[in-house]
Amino acid sequence: GAVVSQHPSWVICKSGTSVKIECRSLDFQATTMFWYRQFPKQSLMLMATSNEGSKATYEQGVEKDKFLINHASLTLSTLTVTSAHPEDSSFYICSVGKQGYSNQPQHFGDGTRLSIL
Amino acid sequence: QQPVQSPQAVILREGEDAVINCSSSKALYSVHWYRQKHGEAPIFLMILLKGGEQKGHDKISASFNEKKQQSSLYLTASQLSYSGTYFCGTEGQGTALIFGKGTTLSVSS
Repeated sequence: GAVVSQHPSWVICKSGTSVKIECRSLDFQATTMFWYRQFPKQSLMLMATSNEGSKATYEQGVEKDKFLINHASLTLSTLTVTSAHPEDSSFYICSVGKQGYSNQPQHFGDGTRLSIL
Repeated sequence: QQPVQSPQAVILREGEDAVINCSSSKALYSVHWYRQKHGEAPIFLMILLKGGEQKGHDKISASFNEKKQQSSLYLTASQLSYSGTYFCGTEGQGTALIFGKGTTLSVSS
C-alpha cells in the first residue's frame, strides 16, 4: 500500500490565493520530509527539507516567506503557497525517507498539480 | 550539485536495449534510480551503495563505478512499460536527493 499520502491531487485557483498541500507519512514516523517542485518536462527540484518541530531548511533561491512549511507532527508536513501567481503553477511533490538511513529509498507522494489562473 | 545524465532521450523498439548514464563532479556515496511516468510520482527502482556494486531486477540492472563517480542503468529487451523518464538521484544535505535532468525513454511496438 501507499507509504506517503499527498493531498490534494490538483488545485485550480485564482491569482493571489494561498494554497495548502498536505503530505502524510503512513508507514513510519518521519522527522524529515522533503518538498520538490517539477515544471513540465523538467527534473524534480528540491525546494526544502521539512524538519519536525523546527524550522524548514530551504534551498537557495526558494523564498521561505512564500512557501511556508509546517511539520507539526511526525507524520504530517504541510506546504502553503502564499499569494500564488501563475508562475507558481507546477507539480509539487513530497517525499519521505527513513531518517538517518541514506541507503533507503525515498517514497514519494502522488504529487499536487497546482494551476494558478 | 546536480548529477549529469546522458543521453537526454532514447527511442527504442520493443526488445531493444538501452543504457542511461549518470555522473557527478563530486564523490558519490550512493546513487538512486527512479522512473516517472507522465503526471505521476517517481517510482523507486534501485539504490547502489558501494563502488563496483551491481544490482538487477527483472531486465533492469545498474552498476556503480565509485572511482569514476558514475552509475549506469541498463534496460535489456525493453518492454512498452519501460517508457517514461528515468532519473538518477545523489545525496545532497542530509538524506535529501538531488536529481539529474532525466532521460526520456520511449518504447514502441
